[in-house]
Amino acid sequence: DIVMTQTPLSLSVTPGQPASISCKSSQSLLHSDGKTYLYWYLQKPGQPPQLLIYEASNRFSGVPDRFSGSGSGTDCTLKISRVEAEDVGVYYCMQSKQLPYTFGQGTKLEIK
Amino acid sequence: QVQLVQSGAEVKKPGTSVKISCKASGYTFTTYAIHWVRQAPGQSLEWMGWVNAGNGNTKYSQTFQGRVTITRDTSASTAYMEVSSLRSEDTAVYYCARVPYYGELWFDPWGQGTLVTVSS
Repeated sequence: DIVMTQTPLSLSVTPGQPASISCKSSQSLLHSDGKTYLYWYLQKPGQPPQLLIYEASNRFSGVPDRFSGSGSGTDCTLKISRVEAEDVGVYYCMQSKQLPYTFGQGTKLEIK
Repeated sequence: QVQLVQSGAEVKKPGTSVKISCKASGYTFTTYAIHWVRQAPGQSLEWMGWVNAGNGNTKYSQTFQGRVTITRDTSASTAYMEVSSLRSEDTAVYYCARVPYYGELWFDPWGQGTLVTVSS
């Protein structure tokens, strides 16, 4: 199975400041079709996860442009350019290059 | 709008089974897969398996192979997941999610989740 490792596991950020989360995979997520099958989800308190970024760097419909994803292969990063209060929750990376799909441990974002 | 609505919370005794439903609306049910993910209290997300809503084919995580059965009823636009031989470690919120068969393999939307509590 592909192991997904996120760092840090928690973040405390002042509103308006940037935040960055790293996700490393035990195998490359770059497929022969040229896509990197790495996704970012945000789970707000008491809610199911919601999709933020697909294929490492594509913002999903309706996601604010302060969220961006980068990277390929085994190293990807989620960046929030200016954190807002509504961004609190747990961020997960997930790979869907091969079954079983696997998730990172999650990164909890809090507001200072 | 596209929506997945799951059945309500369950309390089960160890050794019994639970069957959770996931009713889809707002799209043609057979044109997407339904995947199941669980989340134990305070833990990360764990992928369990999926069903091809069109032909009924399934794939399961090795972790759950033999104990989980995913089915679907196209006439009801509903997918089901049954977990047997329940133990306390199966206490979790179980989610279904819609996933395209090809291309962008994103999970969207998700159901609201079903809490299953296993306790004697």
